[in-house]
Amino acid sequence: DVKVTQSSRYLVKRTGEKVFLECVQDMDHENMFWYRQDPGLGLRLIYFSYDVKMKEKGDIPEGYSVSREKKERFSLILESASTNQTSMYLCASSPLPDRVSEQYFGPGTRLTVT
Amino acid sequence: RKEVEQDPGPFNVPEGATVAFNCTYSNSASQSFFWYRQDCRKEPKLLMSVYSSGNEDGRFTAQLNRASQYISLLIRDSKLSDSATYLCVVPPSGTYKYIFGTGTRLKVLA
Repeated sequence: DVKVTQSSRYLVKRTGEKVFLECVQDMDHENMFWYRQDPGLGLRLIYFSYDVKMKEKGDIPEGYSVSREKKERFSLILESASTNQTSMYLCASSPLPDRVSEQYFGPGTRLTVT
Repeated sequence: RKEVEQDPGPFNVPEGATVAFNCTYSNSASQSFFWYRQDCRKEPKLLMSVYSSGNEDGRFTAQLNRASQYISLLIRDSKLSDSATYLCVVPPSGTYKYIFGTGTRLKVLA
């Protein structure tokens, strides 16, 4: 069974704080993704990575950065958290970079910025 | 036109009913499609994949209509446990960016 884990289920941070969200997958997947999910807007892609140290911006990268130093770990960083970054953050991974495959999601981190 | 569109619902149906949702997509080059199920405050989980004309798994049937550019999900003999949001996912051709619909909410009533 593919397992994708995220460092926290719930997180409360103050405006201006630096926030790290960690994601680890145990199935040797090449591709990893960070999304945020908001009511009425669905899942929106923040960043994705197709290899170690490789990353590409998604649809809403502003205010975020990412790090992928090891294949199994993909971190999302909020450099200076703002209240409009309050959201559910979902990490996902997928195998087989030579064809499109389904994604496997972590349990999500519900982040509140006050 | 949005890349992926779904009726948000909710679809309220009695137990045992048959219910169907549609999802329309704009990129005619899309080759594969997915239905995910998401329970309240949980992560999405893959329900079914659709790579050609359709797929069937027990009470669930997914069909693809390329001419009209939509995929459908049919649930027969609905159970209370089927209550969830169903997300349509269309990966754009030639990239790894998955496009998610906003989901259709299903409530199965006792």
